[in-house]
Amino acid sequence: EAGVTQFPSHSVIEKGQTVTLRCDPISGHDNLYWYRRVMGKEIKFLLHFVKESKQDESGMPNNRFLAERTGGTYSTLKVQPAELEDSGVYFCASSQDYPSYGYTFGSGTRLTVV
Amino acid sequence: QKEVEQDPGPLSVPEGAIVSLNCTYSNSAFQYFMWYRQYSRKGPELLMYTYSSGNKEDGRFTAQVDKSSKYISLFIRDSQPSDSATYLCAMRQASKLTFGTGTRLQVTL
Repeated sequence: EAGVTQFPSHSVIEKGQTVTLRCDPISGHDNLYWYRRVMGKEIKFLLHFVKESKQDESGMPNNRFLAERTGGTYSTLKVQPAELEDSGVYFCASSQDYPSYGYTFGSGTRLTVV
Repeated sequence: QKEVEQDPGPLSVPEGAIVSLNCTYSNSAFQYFMWYRQYSRKGPELLMYTYSSGNKEDGRFTAQVDKSSKYISLFIRDSQPSDSATYLCAMRQASKLTFGTGTRLQVTL
């Protein structure tokens, strides 16, 4: 079984540009989560999809962040325009059931905004 | 005040030592308690989870939860160099996980 896959693994962009991160969850997992870790801080929840619907987006920092999950398969997280404070590692996780004791995380996308 | 407090370390121990990792929390609504292990440039990997006070053992790992004190621990027996990683406590409320900052562990030969 393939794990959670995230693209790209690393992205360096200039302030003001747009970046789109992609997450492919484990096949058959209806639940998909985005988390973020900024430098020196803990990993923090961004949002939770159940299939294509946003179940909880209370962790999204502001309206520069847009998450989508078309067709309930892969998800994208777009940051537009990017700011310096958006730098960090963005993790995606998925689970088959809800509630689930634990989620399978991807390796993350390391975003650097310069 | 953070909802979850975790000593960031780093913690260095010799091979074979018993390691104790701890977190405290303030939110009584947390329902499930987990420990993740994270290697460099990788995502967190679930080690153990529990939902009640008491101990849970899995091989060399023991997770302990004390809800009355809002305190959780992870013990690693007979530590190995391959255990060198960052250990994250995490607590779940509804669909959200709230993580500690992680403790970096180094097991030396």
